[in-house]
Amino acid sequence: DIQMTQSPSTLSASVGDRVTITCRASQRIDSWLAWYQQKPGKAPKPLMYKASNLKSGVPSRFSGSGSGTEFTLTISSLQPDDFATYYCQQYNSYPYSFGQGTKLDIK
Amino acid sequence: QVQLQESGPGLVKPSETLSLTCGVSGYSISSGYYWGWIRQPPGKGLEWIGSMYHSGGSYYKPSLKSRVTISLDMSKNQFSLRLSSVTATDTAVYYCARQDDIAGAPTYFDYWGQGTLVIVS
Repeated sequence: DIQMTQSPSTLSASVGDRVTITCRASQRIDSWLAWYQQKPGKAPKPLMYKASNLKSGVPSRFSGSGSGTEFTLTISSLQPDDFATYYCQQYNSYPYSFGQGTKLDIK
Repeated sequence: QVQLQESGPGLVKPSETLSLTCGVSGYSISSGYYWGWIRQPPGKGLEWIGSMYHSGGSYYKPSLKSRVTISLDMSKNQFSLRLSSVTATDTAVYYCARQDDIAGAPTYFDYWGQGTLVIVS
């Protein structure tokens, strides 16, 4: 099974900051990676797919990169609506797995 | 707009079977995609449970495979989850979701239900 590890687990930042979240896969997954944003009490919302493709309707301040085993999600200028928990998910192979999450909170 | 909505009991007794249904609107489940279930224990991360293709064929998480069944009801445009022999560790928010595919291979979850909390007690 492929294990997904995110870092950091918690990230404190301020509005306007540029932040980066990392997701590492235990095996190569090419670019078969998605990112989700989840707010308390809500379902996850897909942000990116195939590592760097922005889902329709997602603000362009979000970007993704990486391939193989290391991936990043970057928010170029944090907005108040961005404080949430972020998850990566690999879909290179069954069983499909998520990272443990990165909580982004206000400094 | 594709919308999904989970329904089912919020409380299940240990050793019994958890049964949830996901009603889909805005898209016919017989037309395409995988239809899956993901759960999230309180305060924890996301765990994929399983997915079923619109034309048949299913994938289940290996550690749950012996207890899980996902089925599609095309006539009602809904799909279901059954998880047998539940214990307290199955307490979680259960989400249904549409899973995109590329040439029949599952990819990411592009539409989600709002989730429903199931407590095993």
